[in-house]
Amino acid sequence: AQKITQTQPGMFVQEKEAVTLDCTYDTSDPSYGLFWYKQPSSGEMIFLIYQGSYDQQNATEGRYSLNFQKARKSANLVISASQLGDSAMYFCAMREGLRPAGNQFYFGTGTSLTVIP
Amino acid sequence: GAGVSQSPSNKVTEKGKDVELRCDPISGHTALYWYRQSLGQGLEFLIYFQGNSAPDKSGLPSDRFSAERTGGSVSTLTIQRTQQEDSAVYLCASSTTWGPSDTQYFGPGTRLTVL
Repeated sequence: AQKITQTQPGMFVQEKEAVTLDCTYDTSDPSYGLFWYKQPSSGEMIFLIYQGSYDQQNATEGRYSLNFQKARKSANLVISASQLGDSAMYFCAMREGLRPAGNQFYFGTGTSLTVIP
Repeated sequence: GAGVSQSPSNKVTEKGKDVELRCDPISGHTALYWYRQSLGQGLEFLIYFQGNSAPDKSGLPSDRFSAERTGGSVSTLTIQRTQQEDSAVYLCASSTTWGPSDTQYFGPGTRLTVL
Protein backbone atom coordinates (compact mmCIF):
# COMPACT_ATOMS: atom_id res chain seq x y z
CA ALA A 1 0.00 0.00 0.00
CA GLN A 2 1.13 3.53 -0.70
CA LYS A 3 2.32 5.35 2.38
CA ILE A 4 1.35 8.76 0.99
CA THR A 5 -1.37 9.30 -1.60
CA GLN A 6 -1.96 12.52 -3.46
CA THR A 7 -4.88 11.99 -5.81
CA GLN A 8 -4.79 15.35 -7.60
CA PRO A 9 -2.08 15.41 -10.24
CA GLY A 10 -3.05 18.95 -11.25
CA MET A 11 -5.11 21.74 -9.73
CA PHE A 12 -6.10 25.22 -10.87
CA VAL A 13 -7.13 28.09 -8.63
CA GLN A 14 -8.07 31.69 -9.26
CA GLU A 15 -5.76 34.26 -7.77
CA LYS A 16 -6.88 35.34 -4.27
CA GLU A 17 -9.04 32.25 -3.84
CA ALA A 18 -8.34 29.43 -1.38
CA VAL A 19 -7.34 25.95 -2.52
CA THR A 20 -7.10 22.58 -0.80
CA LEU A 21 -4.54 19.99 -1.82
CA ASP A 22 -5.39 16.49 -0.70
CA CYS A 23 -3.13 14.04 1.06
CA THR A 24 -3.90 10.73 2.73
CA TYR A 25 -1.40 8.57 4.52
CA ASP A 26 -1.05 5.05 5.77
CA THR A 27 0.82 4.05 8.89
CA SER A 28 0.40 1.86 11.95
CA ASP A 29 3.05 3.80 13.84
CA PRO A 30 1.44 5.94 16.58
CA SER A 31 4.22 8.50 16.32
CA TYR A 32 4.60 10.21 12.98
CA GLY A 33 5.03 13.58 11.38
CA LEU A 34 3.40 15.01 8.30
CA PHE A 35 5.05 17.59 6.07
CA TRP A 36 4.22 19.64 3.04
CA TYR A 37 6.86 20.88 0.64
CA LYS A 38 6.63 23.25 -2.32
CA GLN A 39 8.77 22.73 -5.39
CA PRO A 40 8.73 25.64 -7.85
CA SER A 41 10.07 25.31 -11.35
CA SER A 42 13.53 26.17 -10.04
CA GLY A 43 13.57 22.71 -8.48
CA GLU A 44 14.32 23.45 -4.86
CA MET A 45 12.13 21.77 -2.24
CA ILE A 46 10.83 24.35 0.19
CA PHE A 47 9.47 23.27 3.55
CA LEU A 48 6.01 24.74 4.22
CA ILE A 49 4.37 23.19 7.25
CA TYR A 50 4.61 20.35 9.76
CA GLN A 51 1.97 18.46 11.78
CA GLY A 52 2.81 15.96 14.49
CA SER A 53 0.59 12.97 15.13
CA TYR A 54 0.06 14.01 18.73
CA ASP A 55 -0.63 17.66 17.98
CA GLN A 56 -4.11 18.62 19.10
CA GLN A 57 -4.48 21.60 16.84
CA ASN A 58 -4.10 22.00 13.12
CA ALA A 59 -0.80 23.53 12.11
CA THR A 60 -0.78 26.97 10.53
CA GLU A 61 2.03 28.95 8.91
CA GLY A 62 0.94 32.23 7.40
CA ARG A 63 -1.33 31.47 4.44
CA TYR A 64 -0.77 27.73 4.85
CA SER A 65 -2.78 25.54 7.14
CA LEU A 66 -2.95 21.79 7.48
CA ASN A 67 -6.36 20.21 7.86
CA PHE A 68 -5.39 17.20 9.98
CA GLN A 69 -8.06 14.53 10.30
CA LYS A 70 -6.38 11.71 12.18
CA ALA A 71 -9.23 9.21 12.05
CA ARG A 72 -9.43 9.62 8.28
CA LYS A 73 -5.64 9.67 7.96
CA SER A 74 -5.75 12.79 5.90
CA ALA A 75 -3.52 15.85 6.01
CA ASN A 76 -4.79 18.28 3.44
CA LEU A 77 -2.94 21.52 2.76
CA VAL A 78 -5.05 24.66 2.56
CA ILE A 79 -3.57 27.71 0.87
CA SER A 80 -5.58 30.85 1.47
CA ALA A 81 -5.58 33.91 -0.78
CA SER A 82 -3.60 32.23 -3.58
CA GLN A 83 -0.87 34.21 -5.24
CA LEU A 84 0.74 33.75 -8.65
CA GLY A 85 3.94 32.73 -6.89
CA ASP A 86 2.13 29.75 -5.38
CA SER A 87 2.19 28.01 -8.76
CA ALA A 88 4.40 24.97 -8.14
CA MET A 89 4.44 21.28 -7.35
CA TYR A 90 3.36 20.43 -3.82
CA PHE A 91 4.51 17.28 -2.06
CA CYS A 92 3.04 15.70 1.02
CA ALA A 93 5.45 13.62 3.11
CA MET A 94 5.39 11.51 6.23
CA ARG A 95 8.01 10.48 8.72
CA GLU A 96 7.42 7.42 10.92
CA GLY A 97 9.07 8.17 14.20
CA LEU A 98 10.24 5.15 16.10
CA ARG A 99 13.28 4.12 14.13
CA PRO A 100 16.14 6.30 12.92
CA ALA A 101 16.13 4.98 9.37
CA GLY A 102 16.26 7.21 6.36
CA ASN A 103 13.78 5.22 4.35
CA GLN A 104 11.10 5.96 6.89
CA PHE A 105 10.49 9.29 5.16
CA TYR A 106 7.88 8.91 2.45
CA PHE A 107 6.84 11.35 -0.27
CA GLY A 108 3.70 11.48 -2.34
CA THR A 109 3.75 11.88 -6.11
CA GLY A 110 2.86 15.54 -5.90
CA THR A 111 0.14 17.94 -7.04
CA SER A 112 0.85 20.59 -9.63
CA LEU A 113 -0.89 23.82 -8.67
CA THR A 114 -1.47 26.58 -11.19
CA VAL A 115 -2.72 29.95 -10.01
CA ILE A 116 -4.70 31.78 -12.68
CA PRO A 117 -4.58 35.59 -12.75
CA GLY B 1 22.17 31.15 8.16
CA ALA B 2 23.38 29.24 5.14
CA GLY B 3 21.15 26.53 3.79
CA VAL B 4 22.04 23.24 2.20
CA SER B 5 24.31 23.69 -0.78
CA GLN B 6 24.97 21.30 -3.63
CA SER B 7 27.46 21.27 -6.43
CA PRO B 8 27.56 21.25 -9.33
CA SER B 9 24.12 22.62 -10.14
CA ASN B 10 24.22 20.94 -13.52
CA LYS B 11 26.32 18.05 -14.77
CA VAL B 12 26.37 16.64 -18.27
CA THR B 13 28.38 13.48 -18.75
CA GLU B 14 28.84 10.70 -21.23
CA LYS B 15 27.55 7.22 -20.66
CA GLY B 16 30.12 5.13 -18.83
CA LYS B 17 31.83 8.00 -17.03
CA ASP B 18 31.93 8.39 -13.26
CA VAL B 19 30.42 11.45 -11.56
CA GLU B 20 30.66 12.92 -8.09
CA LEU B 21 27.94 15.07 -6.58
CA ARG B 22 28.60 17.12 -3.49
CA CYS B 23 26.33 18.16 -0.63
CA ASP B 24 27.16 20.59 2.14
CA PRO B 25 24.47 20.35 4.85
CA ILE B 26 23.32 23.01 7.26
CA SER B 27 25.88 23.43 10.03
CA GLY B 28 24.96 21.37 13.07
CA HIS B 29 22.59 19.05 11.23
CA THR B 30 23.48 15.47 12.05
CA ALA B 31 21.21 13.76 9.52
CA LEU B 32 21.83 13.90 5.78
CA TYR B 33 19.74 12.36 3.01
CA TRP B 34 20.15 11.84 -0.71
CA TYR B 35 17.14 11.54 -3.01
CA ARG B 36 16.69 11.17 -6.74
CA GLN B 37 13.89 12.82 -8.66
CA SER B 38 13.26 11.79 -12.22
CA LEU B 39 11.40 14.16 -14.53
CA GLY B 40 7.84 14.68 -13.33
CA GLN B 41 8.19 12.14 -10.56
CA GLY B 42 8.26 12.19 -6.77
CA LEU B 43 11.34 11.70 -4.66
CA GLU B 44 13.14 8.38 -4.47
CA PHE B 45 15.16 7.82 -1.29
CA LEU B 46 18.76 6.78 -1.91
CA ILE B 47 20.83 6.91 1.28
CA TYR B 48 20.78 8.35 4.79
CA PHE B 49 23.53 9.32 7.20
CA GLN B 50 22.91 9.94 10.90
CA GLY B 51 25.83 11.07 13.01
CA ASN B 52 28.48 8.38 13.32
CA SER B 53 26.07 5.52 12.71
CA ALA B 54 26.37 3.22 9.73
CA PRO B 55 24.50 4.77 6.80
CA ASP B 56 21.17 3.41 5.61
CA LYS B 57 21.94 2.41 2.03
CA SER B 58 18.69 0.59 1.39
CA GLY B 59 17.61 2.97 -1.35
CA LEU B 60 20.68 2.77 -3.57
CA PRO B 61 19.50 1.33 -6.91
CA SER B 62 22.68 -0.54 -7.79
CA ASP B 63 26.28 -1.08 -6.71
CA ARG B 64 27.28 1.68 -9.13
CA PHE B 65 25.98 4.13 -6.54
CA SER B 66 27.88 4.93 -3.37
CA ALA B 67 28.09 7.79 -0.93
CA GLU B 68 30.27 8.90 1.90
CA ARG B 69 30.13 11.58 4.50
CA THR B 70 33.37 12.94 5.80
CA GLY B 71 33.69 14.33 9.31
CA GLY B 72 29.95 14.23 9.79
CA SER B 73 29.47 17.12 7.41
CA VAL B 74 30.03 17.19 3.65
CA SER B 75 28.74 14.25 1.66
CA THR B 76 29.65 12.99 -1.79
CA LEU B 77 27.41 10.80 -3.91
CA THR B 78 29.34 8.88 -6.55
CA ILE B 79 27.82 7.21 -9.57
CA GLN B 80 30.17 4.92 -11.46
CA ARG B 81 29.80 3.95 -15.10
CA THR B 82 26.80 6.23 -15.54
CA GLN B 83 23.83 5.07 -17.59
CA GLN B 84 21.19 7.15 -19.35
CA GLU B 85 18.60 6.08 -16.79
CA ASP B 86 20.70 7.81 -14.11
CA SER B 87 19.64 11.15 -15.60
CA ALA B 88 17.66 12.93 -12.88
CA VAL B 89 17.86 15.66 -10.30
CA TYR B 90 19.75 14.54 -7.22
CA LEU B 91 18.58 16.28 -4.08
CA CYS B 92 20.32 16.42 -0.75
CA ALA B 93 18.59 17.28 2.51
CA SER B 94 19.68 17.65 6.11
CA SER B 95 17.91 17.73 9.45
CA THR B 96 18.80 18.11 13.09
CA THR B 97 17.49 14.78 14.35
CA TRP B 98 15.78 11.64 13.17
CA GLY B 99 12.53 11.95 15.11
CA PRO B 100 9.07 12.42 13.65
CA SER B 101 9.40 16.18 13.74
CA ASP B 102 12.73 16.31 11.94
CA THR B 103 12.09 18.76 9.15
CA GLN B 104 14.32 18.10 6.19
CA TYR B 105 15.78 21.13 4.49
CA PHE B 106 16.71 20.59 0.89
CA GLY B 107 19.46 21.89 -1.30
CA PRO B 108 18.87 23.19 -4.81
CA GLY B 109 19.76 19.86 -6.39
CA THR B 110 22.16 18.72 -9.06
CA ARG B 111 20.65 18.07 -12.47
CA LEU B 112 22.52 15.15 -14.00
CA THR B 113 22.24 14.43 -17.70
CA VAL B 114 23.85 11.31 -19.09
CA LEU B 115 24.24 11.39 -22.87
